[in-house]
Amino acid sequence: AQTVTQSQPEMSVQEAETVTLSCTYDTSESDYYLFWYKQPPSRQMILVIRQEAYKQQNATENRFSVNFQKAAKSFSLKISDSQLGDAAMYFCAYQSGYALNFGKGTSLLVTP
Amino acid sequence: SQTIHQWPATLVQPVGSPLSLECTVEGTSNPNLYWYRQAAGRGLQLLFYSVGIGQISSEVPQNLSASRPQDRQFILSSKKLLLSDSGFYLCAWSGWGGSAYNEQFFGPGTRLTVL
Repeated sequence: AQTVTQSQPEMSVQEAETVTLSCTYDTSESDYYLFWYKQPPSRQMILVIRQEAYKQQNATENRFSVNFQKAAKSFSLKISDSQLGDAAMYFCAYQSGYALNFGKGTSLLVTP
Repeated sequence: SQTIHQWPATLVQPVGSPLSLECTVEGTSNPNLYWYRQAAGRGLQLLFYSVGIGQISSEVPQNLSASRPQDRQFILSSKKLLLSDSGFYLCAWSGWGGSAYNEQFFGPGTRLTVL
Protein backbone atom coordinates (compact mmCIF):
# COMPACT_ATOMS: atom_id res chain seq x y z
CA ALA A 1 0.00 0.00 0.00
CA GLN A 2 1.14 3.50 -0.73
CA THR A 3 2.13 5.61 2.25
CA VAL A 4 2.19 9.36 2.51
CA THR A 5 4.42 11.03 5.08
CA GLN A 6 4.17 14.58 6.32
CA SER A 7 7.09 15.08 8.69
CA GLN A 8 6.03 18.48 10.04
CA PRO A 9 3.11 18.21 12.48
CA GLU A 10 3.07 21.99 12.93
CA MET A 11 4.45 24.97 11.06
CA SER A 12 4.28 28.68 11.71
CA VAL A 13 4.64 31.59 9.29
CA GLN A 14 4.27 35.33 9.55
CA GLU A 15 1.75 37.11 7.43
CA ALA A 16 3.13 38.01 3.95
CA GLU A 17 6.00 35.52 4.32
CA THR A 18 6.56 32.25 2.47
CA VAL A 19 6.29 28.78 3.96
CA THR A 20 6.95 25.32 2.55
CA LEU A 21 5.17 22.18 3.72
CA SER A 22 6.86 18.86 3.08
CA CYS A 23 5.42 15.59 1.83
CA THR A 24 6.98 12.34 0.73
CA TYR A 25 5.28 9.23 -0.55
CA ASP A 26 6.10 5.68 -1.33
CA THR A 27 4.91 3.97 -4.51
CA SER A 28 6.03 1.61 -7.22
CA GLU A 29 3.61 3.01 -9.77
CA SER A 30 4.54 5.46 -12.51
CA ASP A 31 1.14 7.02 -13.15
CA TYR A 32 -0.63 8.69 -10.26
CA TYR A 33 -1.95 11.98 -8.94
CA LEU A 34 -0.86 14.02 -5.95
CA PHE A 35 -2.94 16.57 -4.10
CA TRP A 36 -2.77 19.12 -1.33
CA TYR A 37 -5.98 19.64 0.60
CA LYS A 38 -6.71 22.36 3.13
CA GLN A 39 -8.95 21.71 6.13
CA PRO A 40 -9.90 24.90 8.01
CA PRO A 41 -11.58 24.80 11.44
CA SER A 42 -14.92 24.18 9.69
CA ARG A 43 -13.36 20.80 8.70
CA GLN A 44 -14.49 21.13 5.10
CA MET A 45 -11.83 19.60 2.84
CA ILE A 46 -10.80 22.03 0.15
CA LEU A 47 -8.58 21.12 -2.77
CA VAL A 48 -5.62 23.49 -2.98
CA ILE A 49 -3.61 22.07 -5.84
CA ARG A 50 -3.02 18.86 -7.75
CA GLN A 51 -0.18 17.40 -9.76
CA GLU A 52 -0.23 14.69 -12.40
CA ALA A 53 2.82 12.47 -12.10
CA TYR A 54 3.39 12.37 -15.85
CA LYS A 55 3.76 16.15 -15.98
CA GLN A 56 7.23 17.47 -15.25
CA GLN A 57 6.04 21.03 -14.83
CA ASN A 58 5.19 21.97 -11.27
CA ALA A 59 1.57 22.95 -10.69
CA THR A 60 0.74 26.50 -9.61
CA GLU A 61 -2.49 28.03 -8.31
CA ASN A 62 -2.15 31.71 -7.49
CA ARG A 63 -0.08 31.91 -4.28
CA PHE A 64 0.24 28.11 -4.03
CA SER A 65 2.83 26.11 -5.90
CA VAL A 66 4.40 22.70 -5.60
CA ASN A 67 7.88 21.30 -5.97
CA PHE A 68 7.35 17.84 -7.43
CA GLN A 69 10.43 15.63 -7.44
CA LYS A 70 9.26 12.33 -8.91
CA ALA A 71 12.53 10.43 -8.51
CA ALA A 72 12.78 11.50 -4.89
CA LYS A 73 9.04 10.91 -4.35
CA SER A 74 8.70 14.33 -2.85
CA PHE A 75 5.80 16.75 -3.21
CA SER A 76 6.13 19.96 -1.20
CA LEU A 77 3.69 22.85 -1.08
CA LYS A 78 4.88 26.45 -1.09
CA ILE A 79 2.55 29.18 0.09
CA SER A 80 3.68 32.67 -0.87
CA ASP A 81 2.48 35.92 0.69
CA SER A 82 0.80 34.01 3.51
CA GLN A 83 -2.53 35.31 4.71
CA LEU A 84 -4.39 34.82 7.99
CA GLY A 85 -6.97 32.80 6.07
CA ASP A 86 -4.33 30.26 5.15
CA ALA A 87 -4.28 28.98 8.72
CA ALA A 88 -5.55 25.41 8.59
CA MET A 89 -4.55 21.76 8.51
CA TYR A 90 -2.91 20.83 5.24
CA PHE A 91 -3.03 17.27 3.97
CA CYS A 92 -0.95 15.74 1.25
CA ALA A 93 -2.70 12.95 -0.65
CA TYR A 94 -1.74 10.33 -3.20
CA GLN A 95 -4.30 8.83 -5.53
CA SER A 96 -4.02 5.28 -6.73
CA GLY A 97 -7.13 3.89 -8.31
CA TYR A 98 -10.17 5.18 -6.46
CA ALA A 99 -8.57 5.73 -3.09
CA LEU A 100 -7.00 8.91 -1.85
CA ASN A 101 -4.22 8.06 0.63
CA PHE A 102 -3.69 10.92 3.05
CA GLY A 103 -0.79 11.93 5.22
CA LYS A 104 -1.40 12.84 8.85
CA GLY A 105 -1.40 16.54 8.09
CA THR A 106 0.50 19.69 8.96
CA SER A 107 -1.10 22.34 11.10
CA LEU A 108 -0.21 25.79 9.74
CA LEU A 109 -0.35 28.78 12.04
CA VAL A 110 -0.22 32.24 10.49
CA THR A 111 0.82 35.07 12.80
CA PRO A 112 0.16 38.77 12.17
CA SER B 1 -23.26 23.58 -10.25
CA GLN B 2 -22.72 20.48 -8.18
CA THR B 3 -23.31 20.36 -4.46
CA ILE B 4 -22.92 17.64 -1.88
CA HIS B 5 -24.93 17.38 1.32
CA GLN B 6 -24.41 15.35 4.43
CA TRP B 7 -26.59 14.88 7.46
CA PRO B 8 -26.69 15.01 10.28
CA ALA B 9 -23.87 17.44 10.94
CA THR B 10 -23.35 16.18 14.47
CA LEU B 11 -24.44 12.96 16.14
CA VAL B 12 -23.99 11.53 19.61
CA GLN B 13 -24.92 7.87 19.95
CA PRO B 14 -24.60 5.24 22.69
CA VAL B 15 -22.49 2.16 22.20
CA GLY B 16 -24.51 -0.62 20.60
CA SER B 17 -26.98 1.67 18.87
CA PRO B 18 -27.50 1.68 15.08
CA LEU B 19 -26.17 4.32 12.74
CA SER B 20 -27.29 5.84 9.49
CA LEU B 21 -25.45 8.72 7.82
CA GLU B 22 -26.69 10.07 4.54
CA CYS B 23 -24.95 11.78 1.66
CA THR B 24 -26.57 13.20 -1.46
CA VAL B 25 -25.12 14.88 -4.50
CA GLU B 26 -26.89 17.36 -6.74
CA GLY B 27 -26.08 18.64 -10.19
CA THR B 28 -24.34 15.59 -11.61
CA SER B 29 -25.20 12.11 -12.82
CA ASN B 30 -23.55 8.77 -12.19
CA PRO B 31 -20.91 10.10 -9.82
CA ASN B 32 -18.36 7.99 -8.02
CA LEU B 33 -19.14 8.24 -4.31
CA TYR B 34 -16.85 7.78 -1.34
CA TRP B 35 -17.02 7.53 2.46
CA TYR B 36 -13.96 8.59 4.45
CA ARG B 37 -13.35 8.63 8.19
CA GLN B 38 -11.01 11.02 9.97
CA ALA B 39 -9.95 9.97 13.45
CA ALA B 40 -8.65 12.61 15.83
CA GLY B 41 -5.24 13.91 14.78
CA ARG B 42 -5.08 11.79 11.66
CA GLY B 43 -5.66 12.07 7.95
CA LEU B 44 -8.61 10.63 6.15
CA GLN B 45 -9.06 6.92 5.60
CA LEU B 46 -11.19 5.61 2.75
CA LEU B 47 -13.93 3.30 4.01
CA PHE B 48 -16.10 2.61 0.98
CA TYR B 49 -16.52 3.72 -2.59
CA SER B 50 -19.20 3.18 -5.20
CA VAL B 51 -19.07 3.50 -8.97
CA GLY B 52 -22.78 2.86 -9.50
CA ILE B 53 -26.12 1.99 -7.92
CA GLY B 54 -25.80 -1.09 -5.76
CA GLN B 55 -22.04 -1.32 -6.34
CA ILE B 56 -20.06 -0.98 -3.12
CA SER B 57 -16.37 -1.64 -2.56
CA SER B 58 -14.97 -1.84 0.94
CA GLU B 59 -11.43 -0.71 1.64
CA VAL B 60 -11.25 -1.52 5.34
CA PRO B 61 -13.01 -4.41 7.13
CA GLN B 62 -14.95 -3.01 10.05
CA ASN B 63 -18.20 -2.55 11.85
CA LEU B 64 -19.68 -0.37 9.13
CA SER B 65 -21.49 -0.94 5.85
CA ALA B 66 -22.50 1.26 2.94
CA SER B 67 -25.32 1.27 0.45
CA ARG B 68 -26.24 3.23 -2.65
CA PRO B 69 -29.97 2.94 -3.19
CA GLN B 70 -30.10 5.75 -5.74
CA ASP B 71 -27.65 7.23 -8.21
CA ARG B 72 -26.80 10.25 -6.07
CA GLN B 73 -27.42 8.87 -2.61
CA PHE B 74 -24.82 7.14 -0.44
CA ILE B 75 -25.58 5.80 3.02
CA LEU B 76 -23.20 4.69 5.77
CA SER B 77 -24.66 2.34 8.35
CA SER B 78 -23.91 0.26 11.37
CA LYS B 79 -26.06 -2.21 13.27
CA LYS B 80 -24.17 -1.73 16.55
CA LEU B 81 -21.80 1.16 17.13
CA LEU B 82 -18.47 0.73 18.91
CA LEU B 83 -16.51 3.37 20.78
CA SER B 84 -13.88 3.15 18.04
CA ASP B 85 -16.44 4.30 15.46
CA SER B 86 -16.21 7.84 16.80
CA GLY B 87 -14.76 10.29 14.31
CA PHE B 88 -15.46 12.71 11.53
CA TYR B 89 -17.11 11.14 8.50
CA LEU B 90 -16.76 12.73 5.11
CA CYS B 91 -18.59 11.89 1.94
CA ALA B 92 -17.04 12.79 -1.40
CA TRP B 93 -17.94 12.53 -5.05
CA SER B 94 -16.02 12.56 -8.30
CA GLY B 95 -17.04 12.62 -11.90
CA TRP B 96 -17.24 9.45 -13.92
CA GLY B 97 -15.20 9.51 -17.08
CA GLY B 98 -14.04 5.97 -17.33
CA SER B 99 -11.17 6.85 -15.05
CA ALA B 100 -10.70 6.90 -11.32
CA TYR B 101 -8.38 9.88 -11.59
CA ASN B 102 -10.96 12.55 -11.15
CA GLU B 103 -10.90 15.24 -8.52
CA GLN B 104 -12.87 14.37 -5.42
CA PHE B 105 -15.15 16.97 -3.87
CA PHE B 106 -15.95 16.65 -0.21
CA GLY B 107 -19.10 17.28 1.76
CA PRO B 108 -19.23 19.20 5.04
CA GLY B 109 -18.90 16.05 7.15
CA THR B 110 -20.61 14.46 10.14
CA ARG B 111 -19.03 14.46 13.58
CA LEU B 112 -19.97 11.21 15.31
CA THR B 113 -19.37 10.66 19.00
CA VAL B 114 -20.06 7.24 20.45
CA LEU B 115 -20.40 7.20 24.24
